[in-house]
Amino acid sequence: DARVTQTPRHKVTEMGQEVTMRCQPILGHNTVFWYRQTMMQGLELLAYFRNRAPLDDSGMPKDRFSAEMPDATLATLKIQPSEPRDSAVYFCASGLGLSIYGYTFGSGTRLTVV
Amino acid sequence: AQTVTQSQPEMSVQEAETVTLSCTYDTSESDYYLFWYKQPPSRQMILVIRQEAYKQQNATENRFSVNFQKAAKSFSLKISDSQLGDAAMYFCAYRSAPEGNNNDMRFGAGTRLTVKP
Repeated sequence: DARVTQTPRHKVTEMGQEVTMRCQPILGHNTVFWYRQTMMQGLELLAYFRNRAPLDDSGMPKDRFSAEMPDATLATLKIQPSEPRDSAVYFCASGLGLSIYGYTFGSGTRLTVV
Repeated sequence: AQTVTQSQPEMSVQEAETVTLSCTYDTSESDYYLFWYKQPPSRQMILVIRQEAYKQQNATENRFSVNFQKAAKSFSLKISDSQLGDAAMYFCAYRSAPEGNNNDMRFGAGTRLTVKP
């Protein structure tokens, strides 16, 4: 059963530290999304890639967040420096760009910044 | 920009009964897809059902069905014969069709469903 793999599942870090979250999309999927989920804002799109190229990162605070796809099997989301307001669950999702079947989500990374 | 509204923050249903979760959306596009995702306490987002806007027939997946009213921009989810395992957050989501400008998915705020034994 194909799945999107996210690591780490949980991360606790101190304010000011760099945080890197990783995502392995389903093999063959060419579209990768990063979402952030909080109680207050719900699910927010941060960025997404098509064929490894960034298509939209307008939802991401540019001064501290960066998203990359070094290769087709790895997507990364970095926060530097981290702040307490970044505490959230970060989801990666992947899919086929023109697919009507929706996207497959990973289990998320729960980030706590203290 | 498209917006998705779920007006019911919480719903509850008795086991074996039927419940309907509401979703409305705002769009100027004519072709798009709509989805319902389930998020149990494990926080995994699970696709429950999808609907293509150009199809008039309502989608059905076992105990889950939708009532898609395109003119009213309404997309409700009906869960029949509710089971304890149906307890979760349910998210309605919108996505432009491939010819649209964006393929990202827009989510509603979610409805927390409780199933009472």
